[in-house]
Amino acid sequence: DQQVKQNSPSLSVQEGRISILNCDYTNSMFDYFLWYKKYPAEGPTFLISISSIKDKNEDGRFTVFLNKSAKHLSLHIVPSQPGDSAVYFCAASLDGNKLVFGAGTILRVKS
Amino acid sequence: DVKVTQSSRYLVKRTGEKVFLECVQDMDHENMFWYRQDPGLGLRLIYFSYDVKMKEKGDIPEGYSVSREKKERFSLILESASTNQTSMYLCASSSGQGRHNEQFFGPGTRLTVL
Repeated sequence: DQQVKQNSPSLSVQEGRISILNCDYTNSMFDYFLWYKKYPAEGPTFLISISSIKDKNEDGRFTVFLNKSAKHLSLHIVPSQPGDSAVYFCAASLDGNKLVFGAGTILRVKS
Repeated sequence: DVKVTQSSRYLVKRTGEKVFLECVQDMDHENMFWYRQDPGLGLRLIYFSYDVKMKEKGDIPEGYSVSREKKERFSLILESASTNQTSMYLCASSSGQGRHNEQFFGPGTRLTVL
């Protein structure tokens, strides 16, 4: 029973356009959400996070939006660059330490 | 910079062998985690530890055990390796201070069990 779901296994976007990666969760007790990026043969690296008391957090080209009523969050990358091509994992936290991860979305940015 | 290192990048073992995967972090972090990553399933938590000598089961602990004798080192043990344990194994650590803690990951160990 997956508590964090990323329903799109892959996404292909043209360089310069917006990439939107989506994530849904089922447990309303999650109070912190994170996005990680993973390149092949490397460990995931932290990208951006958002607390459940906010609905938006922005860091340069990356913005995360949280819709608590819909139990949905999304990561926007604008503009997308070829170096953004990676697997993106959504994660959620209950206790501040343990994370529950989604299955990941492979993003391909075409030049 | 936080550094999490894992003892091997690639490992090939035979069914029934006992396998040790080692993880070391250099930032004095309290928390350490072991995950496995499989296509379509994302990262699944095997075991975690919030302190030396402490361990707790994650979501898929069956067939695994762990050891944390020192704060910086967290070992994952496959008591008798099976082919369904072929996977990418990722170790992570976090500080444990404050309310929410980013996890820092090692590069992973690609384990193949024949």
